[in-house]
Amino acid sequence: DTGVSQDPRHKITKRGQNVTFRCDPISEHNRLYWYRQTLGQGPEFLTYFQNEAQLEKSRLLSDRFSAERPKGSFSTLEIQRTEQGDSAMYLCASTLSGQETQYFGPGTRLLVL
Amino acid sequence: GQQLNQSPQSMFIQEGEDVSMNCTSSSIFNTWLWYKQEPGEGPVLLIALYKAGELTSNGRLTAQFGITRKDSFLNISASIPSDVGIYFCAGTTYQGAQKLVFGQGTRLTINP
Repeated sequence: DTGVSQDPRHKITKRGQNVTFRCDPISEHNRLYWYRQTLGQGPEFLTYFQNEAQLEKSRLLSDRFSAERPKGSFSTLEIQRTEQGDSAMYLCASTLSGQETQYFGPGTRLLVL
Repeated sequence: GQQLNQSPQSMFIQEGEDVSMNCTSSSIFNTWLWYKQEPGEGPVLLIALYKAGELTSNGRLTAQFGITRKDSFLNISASIPSDVGIYFCAGTTYQGAQKLVFGQGTRLTINP
């Protein structure tokens, strides 16, 4: 399968714990995006990378959130000191520079108790 | 910020009926995309539109990019049970990240 993959698919954690999600984009894609989707809403942009550089962050991305893409391939999104309001589906998408069509992974559904 | 208003929010139809949904915005977008999402999965790209006035088909799906660059519609003809899901419009602008701005989605339910 050469699509976008995400791991884990589901995560249940207690408030205050740290969690980390991984995204593997389509192999030749140099742009990688993170979105958050809450129930009944469309996805909302969090941040994006071109190669290893993080070029833009949304105001939705509080100081407890950090994302990396150290080698320009896979990316990780870490949430520190999780809160119940962090419960959502976290989606990753990838594309090539200059192309507008983004391809999404299956998402990681986070539940903070 | 930029917002897309998608309507209707939900549709309940009989199998075989045609479906129409649309998105409008107060901002200009240079690309419109339509995605379908099923429970527990990520959005799957259906159709991409790049030029104002463009009309594009993908099987039973047809979508158009509005002349003003501020709206788009998606039609589904002769609906079948596997069309059930949530349909999202999304747009990008010329600036910066070319991040997607999504509508609120249209939930399609089909009665067999």
